[in-house]
Amino acid sequence: RKEVEQDPGPFNVPEGATVAFNCTYSNSASQSFFWYRQDCRKEPKLLMSVYSSGNEDGRFTAQLNRASQYISLLIRDSKLSDSATYLCVVNSSPDDMRFGAGTRLTVKP
Amino acid sequence: EPEVTQTPSHQVTQMGQEVILRCVPISNHLYFYWYRQILGQKVEFLVSFYNNEISEKSEIFDDQFSVERPDGSNFTLKIRSTKLEDSAMYFCASRGQNNQPQHFGDGTRLSIL
Repeated sequence: RKEVEQDPGPFNVPEGATVAFNCTYSNSASQSFFWYRQDCRKEPKLLMSVYSSGNEDGRFTAQLNRASQYISLLIRDSKLSDSATYLCVVNSSPDDMRFGAGTRLTVKP
Repeated sequence: EPEVTQTPSHQVTQMGQEVILRCVPISNHLYFYWYRQILGQKVEFLVSFYNNEISEKSEIFDDQFSVERPDGSNFTLKIRSTKLEDSAMYFCASRGQNNQPQHFGDGTRLSIL
């Protein structure tokens, strides 16, 4: 089983849609969770950290479910500029950062 | 905002040659990483570095690879006897204290001919 698994993509949605991604992880000792976005041929950029109580940043909401070992990212009112690959990152120690394979999102006019 | 910088942005090298990829992490960060991403594939962990030594490395990071932090600011990845399959984007990242996120440089595209 892969250590970090993400929803297979691609997701193609119209502008204004709400879209959700899930990511499951296998290591129950994982401590920190992040969502990154990566544009084509660019570096991953931190989108948001994921906190135990869930957190929101504008149109983006991240949630953590430790019991089921998954995190989620919800994007509301999606924009054309949200088109990117979204990477789930999980770590159980500073040296143990695990990336998911990424979920590709395309927002269409 | 401080950022991780990488040089060169693009490196073209003949197969069998050695390359050194350079990174300047954010100055007060403690943990340093190298990743690679083959075109169209996922980001792959290569190595992590803390307290002037390798703390973890992946199965990809074999004897062909080495890292150094020679002067307290630069963090380099050396690839010896390059192969065609080493062609990829190489990203450097750094982070501060525990549980803080990594910050990535904008990568070096390595092309092996």
